[in-house]
Amino acid sequence: GAVVSQHPSRVICKSGTSVKIECRSLDFQATTMFWYRQFPKQSLMLMATSNEGSKATYEQGVEKDKFLINHASLTLSTLTVTSAHPEDSSFYICSARTGGVNEQFFGPGTRLTVL
Amino acid sequence: AQSVTQLDSHVSVSEGTPVLLRCNYSSSYSPSLFWYVQHPNKGLQLLLKYTSAATLVKGINGFEAEFKKSETSFHLTKPSAHMSDAAEYFCVVSDLSGTYKYIFGTGTRLKVLA
Repeated sequence: GAVVSQHPSRVICKSGTSVKIECRSLDFQATTMFWYRQFPKQSLMLMATSNEGSKATYEQGVEKDKFLINHASLTLSTLTVTSAHPEDSSFYICSARTGGVNEQFFGPGTRLTVL
Repeated sequence: AQSVTQLDSHVSVSEGTPVLLRCNYSSSYSPSLFWYVQHPNKGLQLLLKYTSAATLVKGINGFEAEFKKSETSFHLTKPSAHMSDAAEYFCVVSDLSGTYKYIFGTGTRLKVLA
């Protein structure tokens, strides 16, 4: 139980294009989803928290117009990197939790490379 | 505010010897603490968690951790390292203020020598 998937696992795009990453909770309803970014050999950095049906809460320093987060249903959240640039290349990981459970379940991550 | 400190960025052990990965936390509340493992280019796998029940927590793959409030520590141990244990390990404290955010340590890279 408590499986979270991400799609795609890897994506390569050209500078200036937009990329959408999906995060799905497969066997539970995710009241809250989190998006993280991880640079090589570094820890995870929380980008934003999204609750189903409401706007995401972004961490300080994260551009909300660049990293668009949508949490339209209890099983799906999407992260769209708009006008991607090489410095956006990173490993993006989502996690999800359900109400009453103080534990996050992590997806396998998406490797984004911007050329 | 919660914080977590992983005292060693790299740890090397020989196969078959004990593993100790150190973690200290700071929390205004009774914390929830977690250890996760990450293999290269993979997501995070939960090893174990402490949520105010037994102070000695047993996890998967022979790992365990002891919550010591007096020392504000939650060190991860394993009696005998296996080559497959080589990975990055993260200590995490959960924000109990209502946001359920995770505060991650900087990670410890475990190397297992043959």
